[in-house]
Amino acid sequence: AQKVTQAQTEISVVEKEDVTLDCVYETRDTTYYLFWYKQPPSGELVFLIRRNSFDEQNEISGRYSWNFQKSTSSFNFTITASQVVDSAVYFCALIGNSGGYQKVTFGTGTKLQVIP
Amino acid sequence: EPEVTQTPSHQVTQMGQEVILRCVPISNHLYFYWYRQILGQKVEFLVSFYNNEISEKSEIFDDQFSVERPDGSNFTLKIRSTKLEDSAMYFCASSERGAVGKETQYFGPGTRLLVL
Repeated sequence: AQKVTQAQTEISVVEKEDVTLDCVYETRDTTYYLFWYKQPPSGELVFLIRRNSFDEQNEISGRYSWNFQKSTSSFNFTITASQVVDSAVYFCALIGNSGGYQKVTFGTGTKLQVIP
Repeated sequence: EPEVTQTPSHQVTQMGQEVILRCVPISNHLYFYWYRQILGQKVEFLVSFYNNEISEKSEIFDDQFSVERPDGSNFTLKIRSTKLEDSAMYFCASSERGAVGKETQYFGPGTRLLVL
């Protein structure tokens, strides 16, 4: 069985602060992919990033960066210089070869509030 | 940029009634999915669909649920006799393939279903 844990239920930061959202996963799959999705107040799920289990290189995209560490089964997400528009629920998710790469397992989400 | 669309955005129904939620996946995608998110909870996988048949389903997807691709563009989720606990946001998603490199699922904006 696969599991994604996001221990932080809610985080509040003041605008321009950096914030890191934690994600820890469990899987027995040999090949898997990790994702982050953003769910703004309007409710849709917005794909942010995909990382495969063989690529532990960190990635940076603008103010967003991701730190994948297979040794600790973590895939953390950092927002630098946060903005009010970053306020949303962020979901970490996993998909693996045992499910034919079809069933995405989501974490419970971290609600980020950026205060102006 | 192509996107998944869903209709209606909101649906209110009486308990015991049938509802059909509609989705138009991204046009070159071959795998289609339905997920559910009960208010304030995580997103849960319901079913995946490929080549006109269900390829995987969760324990939530019982006999009251069915999926169909009635034509070349639409993908529907039918709930035969709605219950109060079916109240949730229902997300449709699609991916190019359920395979390495093509497995990223893109989600629609969701249909918020309220069963009274």
